[in-house]
Amino acid sequence: DGGITQSPKYLFRKEGQNVTLSCEQNLNHDAMYWYRQDPGQGLRLIYYSQIVNDFQKGDIAEGYSVSREKKESFPLTVTSAQKNPTAFYLCASSPPNRVEQYFGPGTRLTVT
Amino acid sequence: SQQGEEDPQALSIQEGENATMNCSYKTSINNLQWYRQNSGRGLVHLILIRSNEREKHSGRLRVTLDTSKKSSSLLITASRAADTASYFCATASGAGSYQLTFGKGTKLSVIP
Repeated sequence: DGGITQSPKYLFRKEGQNVTLSCEQNLNHDAMYWYRQDPGQGLRLIYYSQIVNDFQKGDIAEGYSVSREKKESFPLTVTSAQKNPTAFYLCASSPPNRVEQYFGPGTRLTVT
Repeated sequence: SQQGEEDPQALSIQEGENATMNCSYKTSINNLQWYRQNSGRGLVHLILIRSNEREKHSGRLRVTLDTSKKSSSLLITASRAADTASYFCATASGAGSYQLTFGKGTKLSVIP
């Protein structure tokens, strides 16, 4: 997990509330990614950013928003518009011109 | 959409045995990667094989790639209890693409 931190590890929210998940990296990586993982499933890409102040939608961006104001930080907001927000959320980053990704430890979000 | 499909979904072996997992994908790729995920944790990059390579080794890991069959296999030799985890293949396609598409994973249990 080294170099990428996600907080908190567990997060509980009531339905209808927005919630922001933190992702910080000190690896000096340009690219950062957010994935969602549901039980027994692979990872699905929510958003990614290859450079500060720029980000792109992934396969399942609806109901989520991101910002990339600093190279080190890529927070994800799960909005009340996301129909099924309960999931395990993983943040990752990759070095310049490299495709392998380095993952954080994840945040498990439960919305009731 | 999920590009890779791992097979089998679950595998249980005795310590010391070899474990083989397979991944099939649908479209042309630039490279294929394998990742490991321990329960409730982030993913760890294991090995990358490029589309012009057929086989690659890293310690007890051996990866093969058959682009004509659109498939890859991961072999873990002399397995250990610590190898118990889920293993995912991830593909990248398109020029300059750093987006990965993950399969659903193979859950490996190594029994001491």
